[in-house]
Amino acid sequence: EIVMTQSPATLSVSPGERATLSCRASQSVRSNLAWYQQKPGQAPRLLIYSASTRATDIPARFSGSGSGTEFTLTISSLQSEDFAVYYCQQYNNWPPAFGQGTKVEIK
Amino acid sequence: EVQLVQSGAEVNKPGESLKISCKGSGYSFTSYWIGWVRQMPGKGLEWMGIIYPGDSDTRYSPSFQGQVTISADKSISTAYLQWSSLKASDTAMYYCARAPAAMTVYDYWGQGTLVTVSS
Repeated sequence: EIVMTQSPATLSVSPGERATLSCRASQSVRSNLAWYQQKPGQAPRLLIYSASTRATDIPARFSGSGSGTEFTLTISSLQSEDFAVYYCQQYNNWPPAFGQGTKVEIK
Repeated sequence: EVQLVQSGAEVNKPGESLKISCKGSGYSFTSYWIGWVRQMPGKGLEWMGIIYPGDSDTRYSPSFQGQVTISADKSISTAYLQWSSLKASDTAMYYCARAPAAMTVYDYWGQGTLVTVSS
């Protein structure tokens, strides 16, 4: 099974600053990588799929990059509503797997 | 509007059986997969398994195979997750989510069902 490792576990960022989150796969998942956002008490929401394609209605400040084993989610200018936990998910190999999450908190 | 509406919170004792549900609306229920995801208290997301309501093709994560049963009733656009004998370690939030294929992303999610198992 593929193991997804996210770093850092917690990222402290001031509003308006840039946030960079990392996700590493234990073996290549090509570009079959998604990112989700989860706010407290809410279900996850799809942000990015195919490593770099924004889902419907996702603001342009969210961008994804990478392929193979190394992936990055960048939030260009953090808004108050962006403070949440972010998960990556691979869907290249069975079974699909999520990373353990990165919490983006207010600095 | 696509919606996945899950059944309400449950409180059960160890050893009891349980079946929770996820009703889809606003799309062709038989044309998309429904997956189930566990989130234990304060923890991350764990993929459990998935079903295609069109023909009931069901696949499980090795971690959950034999521990739960996923089913669907396409006549009422509802998917299910069930346990035959609950354990305290089954205490978690369970989400259903829609996927266009078995190996792809989840574009719509239910609101979650909190299952608490305690004696």
